[in-house]
Amino acid sequence: GQQVMQIPQYQHVQEGEDFTTYCNSSTTLSNIQWYKQRPGGHPVFLIQLVKSGEVKKQKRLTFQFGEAKKNSSLHITATQTTDVGTYFCAASGSARQLTFGSGTQLTVLP
Amino acid sequence: DAGVIQSPRHEVTEMGQEVTLRCKPISGHNSLFWYRQTMMRGLELLIYFNNNVPIDDSGMPEDRFSAKMPNASFSTLKIQPSEPRDSAVYFCASSWGGEPPYGYTFGSGTRLTVV
Repeated sequence: GQQVMQIPQYQHVQEGEDFTTYCNSSTTLSNIQWYKQRPGGHPVFLIQLVKSGEVKKQKRLTFQFGEAKKNSSLHITATQTTDVGTYFCAASGSARQLTFGSGTQLTVLP
Repeated sequence: DAGVIQSPRHEVTEMGQEVTLRCKPISGHNSLFWYRQTMMRGLELLIYFNNNVPIDDSGMPEDRFSAKMPNASFSTLKIQPSEPRDSAVYFCASSWGGEPPYGYTFGSGTRLTVV
């Protein structure tokens, strides 16, 4: 499957601060998906990006797909304690199975 | 829909014993995936079924691991014999395998501890 690198591995922010995680690939991706996993929980699908330069928003979350379709980002505005968890990007290979990035673990300090 | 259902939620077993993990995917989903999650290796795809047929099992660690999907509503992942290094959280996920693929729905996972 596709290899995706995710940075940073960890991020601590004060509640109310913004947060961004980045996902990069050396090859062109056909699509990218984002998931959130709460501590002790399971990954939950957030969104899929397919088009070059695509930007999608979900309330305080903004997702972007790069123009070259080799990178993506997830930005959270004004973090809340409910945003705590690990955020994964994932890209699909030729057989449609997803390869997950290593994730960014977000801690929000109250 | 109850979502993807996995059992058991927790399993503690002794090294050398057989372990069977079970999964019921969401009705109507035609793709099923088994993933393993550890701190060291993250989320690893073990095997992928499409319409009950194994498509990619290149992630299965070794012959001790086997997976079956006898029908559209049930899958098992078996480890025989189990070893301490198999300790991990095992997730089953299902989706509708369109193009591009739809988002995966994960089960709550089975936390396996081999002592």
